[in-house]
Amino acid sequence: AQSVTQLDSQVPVFEEAPVELRCNYSSSVSVYLFWYVQYPNQGLQLLLKYLSGSTLVKGINGFEAEFNKSQTSFHLRKPSVHISDTAEYFCAVSSSRTGANNLFFGTGTRLTVIP
Amino acid sequence: DAGVIQSPRHEVTEMGQEVTLRCKPISGHNSLFWYRQTMMRGLELLIYFNNNVPIDDSGMPEDRFSAKMPNASFSTLKIQPSEPRDSAVYFCASTRPDYYEQYFGPGTRLTVT
Repeated sequence: AQSVTQLDSQVPVFEEAPVELRCNYSSSVSVYLFWYVQYPNQGLQLLLKYLSGSTLVKGINGFEAEFNKSQTSFHLRKPSVHISDTAEYFCAVSSSRTGANNLFFGTGTRLTVIP
Repeated sequence: DAGVIQSPRHEVTEMGQEVTLRCKPISGHNSLFWYRQTMMRGLELLIYFNNNVPIDDSGMPEDRFSAKMPNASFSTLKIQPSEPRDSAVYFCASTRPDYYEQYFGPGTRLTVT
């Protein structure tokens, strides 16, 4: 079975500062990894995904994440945040065996960008 | 594409009343998921369907909850009778076999007083 741990429930950061949201996963099989973003009063939207290949994945809105198999991590980064990045961010994992039908979500990290 | 459509967006009801939430998945998607999101428990998978058949309903909290998918373009989640602890945001998501991610609707915010 897979599971996801998001180490920080809340991350405040000043506008134009860099940010890293941490995600660790556990799985006994090959994994697919995802970051979703949820803006206030909206559904979850896919930010980026890692399926295979290059361990550095670029997503929308200037976000990127790096898959680190040895550390079982998939941390999300942005070099310079904007007010509009204020949202809840969810890390998720599925296995190559079950695909999108079994997506395990972390508990979320609330990113607050301070002007 | 219109994306996943959920209705109503907001529902306020009194304890004991029946509540029905509706979802229309993205055309061509054959898997549909119902989630519940609360501050205390985060995002929980309630049930999912493949080709209109319920595959895993182990997340359904109790018998007061039921879900149906009568055809490929429509699903309902019903709570009868509703209780204040059912207050949450309920999301529907869909996907297809050659995709790796799920696509979420905007959610229904349910308040039971």
